[in-house]
Amino acid sequence: LAKTTQPISMDSYEGQEVNITCSHNNIATNDYITWYQQFPSQGPRFIIQGYKTKVTNEVASLFIPADRKSSTLSLPRVSLSDTAVYYCLVGGGYGGATNKLIFGTGTLLAVQP
Amino acid sequence: GAVVSQHPSRVICKSGTSVKIECRSLDFQATTMFWYRQFPKQSLMLMATSNEGSKATYEQGVEKDKFLINHASLTLSTLTVTSAHPEDSSFYICSAPTTGELFFGEGSRLTVL
Repeated sequence: LAKTTQPISMDSYEGQEVNITCSHNNIATNDYITWYQQFPSQGPRFIIQGYKTKVTNEVASLFIPADRKSSTLSLPRVSLSDTAVYYCLVGGGYGGATNKLIFGTGTLLAVQP
Repeated sequence: GAVVSQHPSRVICKSGTSVKIECRSLDFQATTMFWYRQFPKQSLMLMATSNEGSKATYEQGVEKDKFLINHASLTLSTLTVTSAHPEDSSFYICSAPTTGELFFGEGSRLTVL
């Protein structure tokens, strides 16, 4: 199972763009990259998933270089409510993923007013 | 989107008693469910993989006789913490995969006195 490495914490201010990078040097060919958000005492919530290049949805963008050994989650114009822990996971995949996902340390994003 | 529901959200019990936590997939069938445990300020740790109609697969270091997992139907998996002790106090989270995405329950906060 691919191991992920992320910064333990990041600080930002409201309205700024935040980029969180995750390293996954041992990613396998059939692994997807998925980012989750977790608030205290809640289960993680899906943010975005991608395989290569760039993926964008209504809340975030995910940038994946050609070698897929890292990925960057981009949150545009963060607000106080974006303060949470963000996890990068590799594995699973489309078509009914049943592969177990191992969580890394995650990145605690603290957004200041 | 798909919904995974956990019950109870909070439970307090006396040391030595057993506690059952339910995890339901509300609008999809889950042949597989994952159980995680999370201690304060730590990441999620995978405990076991629950498979409908067969025995669960436990991660290394997780006592299968202490954490009983039953997956009797395609929509319900249960985790029973037997003879609970204060060190079992934690946040337990279930998840189920569908169409490439992993959906998480709300989590269950167990406090053992």
